[in-house]
Amino acid sequence: QKEVEQNSGPLSVPEGAIASLNCTYSDRVSQSFFWYRQYSGKSPELIMSIYSNGDKEDGRFTAQLNKASQYVSLLIRDSQPSDSATYLCAVNNMNNNAGNMLTFGGGTRLMVKP
Amino acid sequence: DTGVSQDPRHKITKRGQNVTFRCDPISEHNRLYWYRQTLGQGPEFLTYFQNEAQLEKSRLLSDRFSAERPKGSFSTLEIQRTEQGDSAMYLCASTDGAGETQYFGPGTRLLVL
Repeated sequence: QKEVEQNSGPLSVPEGAIASLNCTYSDRVSQSFFWYRQYSGKSPELIMSIYSNGDKEDGRFTAQLNKASQYVSLLIRDSQPSDSATYLCAVNNMNNNAGNMLTFGGGTRLMVKP
Repeated sequence: DTGVSQDPRHKITKRGQNVTFRCDPISEHNRLYWYRQTLGQGPEFLTYFQNEAQLEKSRLLSDRFSAERPKGSFSTLEIQRTEQGDSAMYLCASTDGAGETQYFGPGTRLLVL
């Protein structure tokens, strides 16, 4: 079992719709969670971080964390074609020896169709 | 303000050759990380520096790989006797001691022929 799991997609949504991206993790002591966006051939770009249970909103993006279910999600409202990218979920277990080493899921490819 | 920079951005080499990549973190970031990303996968942790000390290495980092951060500023990642399986994007990220958010550089894409 992978430590961080994501559906590889592609997830296809029409422009203006809500895109829902999901991620599960296996290590219960994980404390910090991140969503990165990665365009093809580019490096990951941070979208949001979330540390406590519940929702965190930033513009069109909402991250949701449920530590009991070991589940974190990202909602993108009013999806735009420019949101088409791979979304990486990353988890930080601060108890490891590698500082704040991130463990990434394989990413979900999102396609927003005009 | 400049973000994390990496050099070169692309490298094509023949199997068996040595290559070296450089990463310049965000100024005053004392933590520096190297990751490797292959096509269709998420980045995988390779190694971590706090200032000049290399504190952790992944089992992915074979004996052919070595990383340094001699003055606690820029870092280098060297791959000796490259193999085709080393073809990947090599990503560098940095953060300060208080923060957890890692900021990634543009990456070095390596192709071993």
